[in-house]
Amino acid sequence: DTGVSQDPRHKITKRGQNVTFRCDPISEHNRLYWYRQTLGQGPEFLTYFQNEAQLEKSRLLSDRFSAERPKGSFSTLEIQRTEQGDSAMYLCASSPVTGALFYGYTFGSGTRLTVV
Amino acid sequence: QQQVKQSPQSLIVQKGGISIINCAYENTAFDYFPWYQQFPGKGPALLIAIRPDVSEKKEGRFTISFNKSAKQFSLHIMDSQPGDSATYFCAAHTGTASKLTFGTGTRLQVTL
Repeated sequence: DTGVSQDPRHKITKRGQNVTFRCDPISEHNRLYWYRQTLGQGPEFLTYFQNEAQLEKSRLLSDRFSAERPKGSFSTLEIQRTEQGDSAMYLCASSPVTGALFYGYTFGSGTRLTVV
Repeated sequence: QQQVKQSPQSLIVQKGGISIINCAYENTAFDYFPWYQQFPGKGPALLIAIRPDVSEKKEGRFTISFNKSAKQFSLHIMDSQPGDSATYFCAAHTGTASKLTFGTGTRLQVTL
């Protein structure tokens, strides 16, 4: 499998619970991104890693959200004390570093979170 | 602050027709403009992209037209097919932040 894998595909949780999502990027890609997409909207940037270093975090990423990429391979996104407003599709994407030019991401199929 | 404005929100085109989706941006630091196609339950997939030093790029039935002075770009889908029915997002990349700013999407329906 050469694509970006995300697990689980769907998650239903009660408000206040913690959830964790996993992303496995394309193996030779050393950049990994997390985006959030709500219904009827485009994806919004949350954070990105180059290898294991988290280089940028959006203001959307409140202190209830934490992302890690401990060995520069897979990444996890944890949401603590979930709220109904966290319901969204969480997308992971990866890209190689190709010098100064950017050539776009490959997205996974996402994890759809529903907070009830 | 929405930095990439996309229109229309939805579009219905007959099979064989031309689908046109427009985007406008504000940030002149954007250096790469991709279009993504998204089917229900799937992540966005890169369709075609252009850099600001080029005014047009064509790949098969898909063409991007880019107007740097007007800060606008558009996607044209020639000979639209029912299989093209999906949501299309324009996006813009800033080199320093290495992130994409997406438009709000256009839901395209191609009818028989």
